Amino acid sequence: DVKVTQSSRYLVKRTGEKVFLECVQDMDHENMFWYRQDPGLGLRLIYFSYDVKMKEKGDIPEGYSVSREKKERFSLILESASTNQTSMYLCASSLSGLAKNIQYFGAGTRLSVL
Amino acid sequence: AQKITQTQPGMFVQEKEAVTLDCTYDTSDPSYGLFWYKQPSSGEMIFLIYQGSYDQQNATEGRYSLNFQKARKSANLVISASQLGDSAMYFCAMREGRIPGSSNTGKLIFGQGTTLQVKP
Repeated sequence: DVKVTQSSRYLVKRTGEKVFLECVQDMDHENMFWYRQDPGLGLRLIYFSYDVKMKEKGDIPEGYSVSREKKERFSLILESASTNQTSMYLCASSLSGLAKNIQYFGAGTRLSVL
Repeated sequence: AQKITQTQPGMFVQEKEAVTLDCTYDTSDPSYGLFWYKQPSSGEMIFLIYQGSYDQQNATEGRYSLNFQKARKSANLVISASQLGDSAMYFCAMREGRIPGSSNTGKLIFGQGTTLQVKP
């Protein structure tokens, strides 16, 4: 089974802190994604990566950065956390080059910024 | 412009009955894929079913089927014989075909979601 693991289920941080959200997948997938989920807005793509050290901005990249130094790990960084970044964060991974390229998700990290 | 629209924020269904969750999409690309995911209260997104734009038949996976009406740009999820464990949020998503000059990573665009509650 594909497994996507997010390092924390719940996080509470202070405004201005630097926050790292970690995601690891064990299926050798080329693609990895970070989404945030807010009520009534569905999932919105923050960043994605299609290869090691490669990244592209999604729909809402402002205030976030990412790092992919190894194929299995994709990190989301909040350089200076703000209260409007309180949200559910979901990581996903998928194979590249398939029409039916299912994204497999982690359990999510619920982040509260106080 | 909204590319994936789920117009039902919440739905109720009686246990053992069938329910249809609506999804409409907008794309000018002839090649695309449509996905449905389930998100229980635990938070993890679970893939349910996939329909490719060139598929001739509607997709089915166990109790899930996808009512794909290409001309109307709709891809409704039908759950037959609802169970209490089907209570969850359901998301429709679309993958567009390759955009020239961009990486073909299979990005998905998600709808707003529909919360389904199954009543005993």
